[in-house]
Amino acid sequence: DPKIIQKPKYLVAVTGSEKILICEQYLGHNAMYWYRQSAKKPLEFMFSYSYQKLMDNQTASSRFQPQSSKKNHLDLQITALKPDDSATYFCASSHRGHNQAPLFGEGTRLSVL
Amino acid sequence: GQQVQQSPASLVLQEGENAELQCNFSSTATRLQWFYQRPGGSLVSLLSNPSGTKHTGRLTSTTVTKERRGSLHISSSQITDSGTYLCAMEASSSFSKLVFGQGTSLSVVP
Repeated sequence: DPKIIQKPKYLVAVTGSEKILICEQYLGHNAMYWYRQSAKKPLEFMFSYSYQKLMDNQTASSRFQPQSSKKNHLDLQITALKPDDSATYFCASSHRGHNQAPLFGEGTRLSVL
Repeated sequence: GQQVQQSPASLVLQEGENAELQCNFSSTATRLQWFYQRPGGSLVSLLSNPSGTKHTGRLTSTTVTKERRGSLHISSSQITDSGTYLCAMEASSSFSKLVFGQGTSLSVVP
């Protein structure tokens, strides 16, 4: 069973609309992250959260807003979608303080038309 | 900003051959991590190595932090090893933020 659940797996949106990408982890981790992988670009760090608090934000645009309603949830709200937002969005989690690599979800592939 | 360069960009091996993947990074790293990205896109953590050499199965990771370079050696390659190998550095200034390279696309053929 997947321990990091991302929903939906695929998402098609129209320019200007708003979408929420869901991420839940059942690993007991205390830190969660969002990364983005656009075509022909490396995986890019977006946000990190620990104990539901924002730790690091490398996303310049305020259109991207993480939302953490529970400690094992970190959703990503994207407003005013643009075609350049088309990418695969990966959620990851880890246990802060442990010497371990983060585990990644399967990703949500977003296409903005 | 921080950068990670991987080489080669792509590699084709015959089954049974060995591979050496390189990773160079632009600033001080606390750790170098290697991931395998499946053709469908999901990532699998392979090795996490702050310095020196680590082994798991047919994989050997070597990190020389002060020279800002690392490598991943795959021995006796198998067809199922095909996919993209990603190197990521964890910067000393930012906990758990990984900076990824572009990846090495590996194809193992019979």
